[in-house]
Amino acid sequence: AQKITQTQPGMFVQEKEAVTLDCTYDTSDQSYGLFWYKQPSSGEMIFLIYQGSYDEQNATEGRYSLNFQKARKSANLVISASQLGDSAMYFCAMREGRNAGGTSYGKLTFGQGTILTVHP
Amino acid sequence: NAGVTQTPKFQVLKTGQSMTLQCAQDMNHNSMYWYRQDPGMGLRLIYYSASEGTTDKGEVPNGYNVSRLNKREFSLRLESAAPSQTSVYFCASSVSAAVFYEQYFGPGTRLTVT
Repeated sequence: AQKITQTQPGMFVQEKEAVTLDCTYDTSDQSYGLFWYKQPSSGEMIFLIYQGSYDEQNATEGRYSLNFQKARKSANLVISASQLGDSAMYFCAMREGRNAGGTSYGKLTFGQGTILTVHP
Repeated sequence: NAGVTQTPKFQVLKTGQSMTLQCAQDMNHNSMYWYRQDPGMGLRLIYYSASEGTTDKGEVPNGYNVSRLNKREFSLRLESAAPSQTSVYFCASSVSAAVFYEQYFGPGTRLTVT
């Protein structure tokens, strides 16, 4: 089963509008972290925002916020006031507390990504 | 601060050739990781080093070996390259393997095996 599911292969948004990128996850761990990364066409991976499983408040970082719904196992990224420079691939990822052997190694499991295109 | 650096940026190999991808971080991080990204996909873990002196396999380790040379450096070796190893390779580092630390990524190495 997919651990991270991003159901939107592509999204379009008008400049200055808000957009939500969906992410659902699957884990039986109590302790885990959820991350969003941006990958522009230049190829680098840029960390955007983090949400811990025990955090009660939704994370925010500037124009990025994470809509965390633990019971539904969703961690959607909201980008407010979109800019042309936001056009990129966006990945949702999860770090779980323990691997199968019981030792934490902090691997990131990535979703398939969503390509966001911002129109002027 | 350079962050995470990788060399080379691009490489073309013939089937059967070997090469080593180099990675270094200057953030005093304990954990380091090697991922590969195939077209249209997210990253998959090849090998990792939770701390200096330890290495272990990730999801897709076949055809690769690693060396954690010291706390700063973590190299990935392809002993006998195959076309299936054509991919973009990312090195990453993190303060530790704990779930609440983000991973910082290098710029990637684009490898083509013909």
